Amino acid sequence: EAGVTQFPSHSVIEKGQTVTLRCDPISGHDNLYWYRRVMGKEIKFLLHFVKESKQDESGMPNNRFLAERTGGTYSTLKVQPAELEDSGVYFCASSNLQGAVRNTIYFGEGSWLTVV
Amino acid sequence: RKEVEQDPGPFNVPEGATVAFNCTYSNSASQSFFWYRQDCRKEPKLLMSVYSSGNEDGRFTAQLNRASQYISLLIRDSKLSDSATYLCVVSPGSNYKLTFGKGTLLTVNP
Repeated sequence: EAGVTQFPSHSVIEKGQTVTLRCDPISGHDNLYWYRRVMGKEIKFLLHFVKESKQDESGMPNNRFLAERTGGTYSTLKVQPAELEDSGVYFCASSNLQGAVRNTIYFGEGSWLTVV
Repeated sequence: RKEVEQDPGPFNVPEGATVAFNCTYSNSASQSFFWYRQDCRKEPKLLMSVYSSGNEDGRFTAQLNRASQYISLLIRDSKLSDSATYLCVVSPGSNYKLTFGKGTLLTVNP
């Protein structure tokens, strides 16, 4: 069974440009999450989808970030315009069984973003 | 105060050593506790959940002290393959909004 896949794995863009990251969760997983780790910091929650609905987007840093999950399958995270401090690794994760306390969350390998 | 604090590390130990990781969390409402392992430039992977009664999985033992808001991980008879960053993770209970510590890097040397 395929795990959580993310694209692109690496991206280098100039400040002010736009980047769109894509995540394909494990098939059948209704829950999809975005996390990110910026240099020297811990991994932080960005937002959570249940199917196509945003359940919690309290971790989104500002309105330059837009996440979508049309149709409740794959998700995109767009950064527009990108700033230097957006550099880091963006992890997508998925899980099934909404609300299950012991449910395992599976992470993708991450999309490494460098803004120059 | 950070929500989840871990030993800053790094830890360098010889093969066969016993190594302990400590972690404290600030949110007393936290309900779920985990140790994740992350290899260099890879994704975090669940190592084990941590239960109030303590739990063991082979060479790995996890403990939780809710009163002290303290979590530990003990690795016995460490192997070269245990080299990784160990992440302490807590959740409010719905298991969707994980809060990570910065992680502690472990290197096991031959």
